[in-house]
Amino acid sequence: QEQLVESGGGVVQPGRSLRLSCAASGFTFSSDAMHWVRQAPGKGLEWVAVIGYDGNNKHYADSVKGRFTVSRDNSKKKLFLQMNSLRGEDTAVYYCTREQWPEGFDVWGLGTMVTVSS
Amino acid sequence: QSVLTQPPSVSAAPGQKVTISCSGGSSNIGNNYVSWYQHLPGTAPKLLIYEDDKRPSGIPDRFSGSKSGTSATLDITGLQTGDEADYYCGTWDSSLGAGVFGGGTKLTVL
Repeated sequence: QEQLVESGGGVVQPGRSLRLSCAASGFTFSSDAMHWVRQAPGKGLEWVAVIGYDGNNKHYADSVKGRFTVSRDNSKKKLFLQMNSLRGEDTAVYYCTREQWPEGFDVWGLGTMVTVSS
Repeated sequence: QSVLTQPPSVSAAPGQKVTISCSGGSSNIGNNYVSWYQHLPGTAPKLLIYEDDKRPSGIPDRFSGSKSGTSATLDITGLQTGDEADYYCGTWDSSLGAGVFGGGTKLTVL
């Protein structure tokens, strides 16, 4: 069964850092591009970042560019999101998701909550 | 302000049909595939439609997608109370070099 499980969320002060992880199982992780998508409280889905199947070809939303870094370890079947200089507007549930078809995200985790507050 | 524009809400009675629109531009919908997602609070989003009009296995044919120019549409027929959820369109924006979602449409089954 294809599954993604996010972890690493929590409460953090503005300006601090947090690293999210996403563990994959049940599919060939190294074959697929992976994305991070977030949802702030009361808001819609917001795309955050993508990383190619081999760790190359990374892209970021303007709102996180220069502060967030996406990476992956295919040997461990894990996806990461390093979040630096966190702001209140980064408060959200963060989902990792697999891109099975062009912009078609077919497997999603349940998300991990990040709260940026002093 | 989302790059893709969706109506904030739609509603219809059980058994009826509803249409959700998603409007964009040439850098996104006009030249890239569109996907549609169903999202219930506290759960993972579910892929309903990919590559404009294809359904993943397990998605009933009550859900259908189409695209024309820079707009896309999700149709849901035979509405059920269990269809009440938020629906999002998504695609890639070649000018931004980023993924984009619509603002979401809340479906109410009256």
